[in-house]
Amino acid sequence: QQQVKQSPQSLIVQKGGIPIINCAYENTAFDYFPWYQQFPGKGPALLIAIRPDVSEKKEGRFTISFNKSAKQFSLHIMDSQPGDSATYFCAASMQTGANNLFFGTGTRLTVIP
Amino acid sequence: NAGVMQNPRHLVRRRGQEARLRCSPMKGHSHVYWYRQLPEEGLKFMVYLQKENIIDESGMPKERFSAEFPKEGPSILRIQQVVRGDSAAYFCASSPSGGGGEKLFFGSGTQLSVL
Repeated sequence: QQQVKQSPQSLIVQKGGIPIINCAYENTAFDYFPWYQQFPGKGPALLIAIRPDVSEKKEGRFTISFNKSAKQFSLHIMDSQPGDSATYFCAASMQTGANNLFFGTGTRLTVIP
Repeated sequence: NAGVMQNPRHLVRRRGQEARLRCSPMKGHSHVYWYRQLPEEGLKFMVYLQKENIIDESGMPKERFSAEFPKEGPSILRIQQVVRGDSAAYFCASSPSGGGGEKLFFGSGTQLSVL
């Protein structure tokens, strides 16, 4: 079954808008939550990541909000630009006992100039 | 410092043929992961290897698929007797240390098409 649920499937925003992508998980053993950005024909690239001991992490225009009790986390892109148009994947993993990332199904973001 | 190198970028095979996908990890990385991505889906873990050892193959189909990471040379994902359902993008990732998903660097993938 899908360990990490991601929504929406696609998103269109105007330049300067703030797209928000949401993810939810069930396994409380997850303790590492990265976001990956993927351009067509390329592999995913790590964008930003958070651990459950903090509720928010910001790097440049990208912010992760984390709600441990709700088992949800989201990506916000401030002042979005056309160059941000890509597919975004959330993921989750356990630092001990497991060797793999569980990915969401992806969100295709289009930023209109 | 070159990134994770995968080849070929595109591979076309007819049903029943064998597919070999290669992955050279980043310099200094001894941990390699293979993931498969179907259209409109996220990546699904297949196998995790260290040099000469398979550490976790819980995501590998039981038949026709195998992986290796020899002492010398790239990691190889091998698919025997391919079927149309094997058509997907296969991504390799490497990391300097194992465990979880930290510090994973992905290659650009191999797009396998089975006719």
